[in-house]
Amino acid sequence: ETGVTQTPRHLVMGMTNKKSLKCEQHLGHNAMYWYKQSAKKPLELMFVYSLEERVENNSVPSRFSPECPNSSHLFLHLHTLQPEDSALYLCASSQDLTGSREQYFGPGTRLTVT
Amino acid sequence: TQLLEQSPQFLSIQEGENLTVYCNSSSVFSSLQWYRQEPGEGPVLLVTVVTGGEVKKLKRLTFQFGDARKDSSLHITAAQPGDTGLYLCAGGGADGLTFGKGTHLIIQP
Repeated sequence: ETGVTQTPRHLVMGMTNKKSLKCEQHLGHNAMYWYKQSAKKPLELMFVYSLEERVENNSVPSRFSPECPNSSHLFLHLHTLQPEDSALYLCASSQDLTGSREQYFGPGTRLTVT
Repeated sequence: TQLLEQSPQFLSIQEGENLTVYCNSSSVFSSLQWYRQEPGEGPVLLVTVVTGGEVKKLKRLTFQFGDARKDSSLHITAAQPGDTGLYLCAGGGADGLTFGKGTHLIIQP
């Protein structure tokens, strides 16, 4: 399945590092999302973009900075993270923001902050 | 805040058995989606139900949306090891999707 790709698949970074997660969707969708998945918690929606404009920011700390240069690409820039930010970061896309918003997920980036 | 409770949290059964997992809420949703997530991968959409009382079948999987659109169930007949994974339900509303914590299902050969 290559509809939504994410790189890197695994990332280990120190608290003072700066890194970026990349997501690309090949489905012609207009909406893209970043989610955080931690153990024993529901999927947490972080950001929503529609046609390259941010439409939701669910009280995410400023150490996470999203960027959507076009409708096919989404980045999550990371800096001065904390160990509790270690999690699986999932990118998803949907046709648009209407209807049931069926999500197509990438494989995720497993992030470990040391 | 809309919450979705999934039960059981963990389920381990033998190959060939039947099982049902549940997704419950006190809120009404316009749609209900089920996803399966395998280790090291992202969730994959299995089905969307939108009408109260709706039943959809996907091979050995049967999905039902409650009449009041507040709950849903997933029934698997003759479970196979390939059914192993994390099953997530997600309710759709005006504010987007709300996910449950999931049911971890293990089918032992």
